[in-house]
Amino acid sequence: EAQVTQNPRYLITVTGKKLTVTCSQNMNHEYMSWYRQDPGLGLRQIYYSMNVEVTDKGDVPEGYKVSRKEKRNFPLILESPSPNQTSLYFCASSPGRINEKLFFGSGTQLSVL
Amino acid sequence: DQQVKQNSPSLSVQEGRISILNCDYTNSMFDYFLWYKKYPAEGPTFLISISSIKDKNEDGRFTVFLNKSAKHLSLHIVPSQPGDSAVYFCAASFGDGNQFYFGTGTSLTVIP
Repeated sequence: EAQVTQNPRYLITVTGKKLTVTCSQNMNHEYMSWYRQDPGLGLRQIYYSMNVEVTDKGDVPEGYKVSRKEKRNFPLILESPSPNQTSLYFCASSPGRINEKLFFGSGTQLSVL
Repeated sequence: DQQVKQNSPSLSVQEGRISILNCDYTNSMFDYFLWYKKYPAEGPTFLISISSIKDKNEDGRFTVFLNKSAKHLSLHIVPSQPGDSAVYFCAASFGDGNQFYFGTGTSLTVIP
């Protein structure tokens, strides 16, 4: 089944403790991206990647890192999480051609205490 | 600053009637627009899209209308069904389409 898989689904952590949210797609998609969803703000793009070893900042990249060492994986790294990073996170992918729709994962609910 | 806005956080419609969800945008560079549907505990799924060279796109019960002069698009669902109850996000992109800008979402409830 074609899908985007995120792990974990739920994560509670404390301020300053490094964490990684994994994202993997099995559709051979070139493009991958991370979003966060917050009440009243919709989905905001954190980072995106056009291909292996190519990443770029979205609207809200501060406090996040990403890497794209393999085509299928695009982990989101929070080196020193803070409470304002408590949010619902979505990974998405697409074939990468212009105006292609995004395929989303099921989301990761992160709480930073 | 929010470049894509959905000013109605929620909407309730009777089953069988028309649902109209609205979206406004501020960036005149946007040339591609999409609607996504989101159920609880799931990621958004693509519903329908429209290019700025068109003013209407239809797919079954779903039609998207684009009014470029007003920087406004709308999603019409006819007839509405209880299974359509979800949060609907509009999104926009331009140029190479690497960045998508999403609205805040409208929660649609279709009452049986």
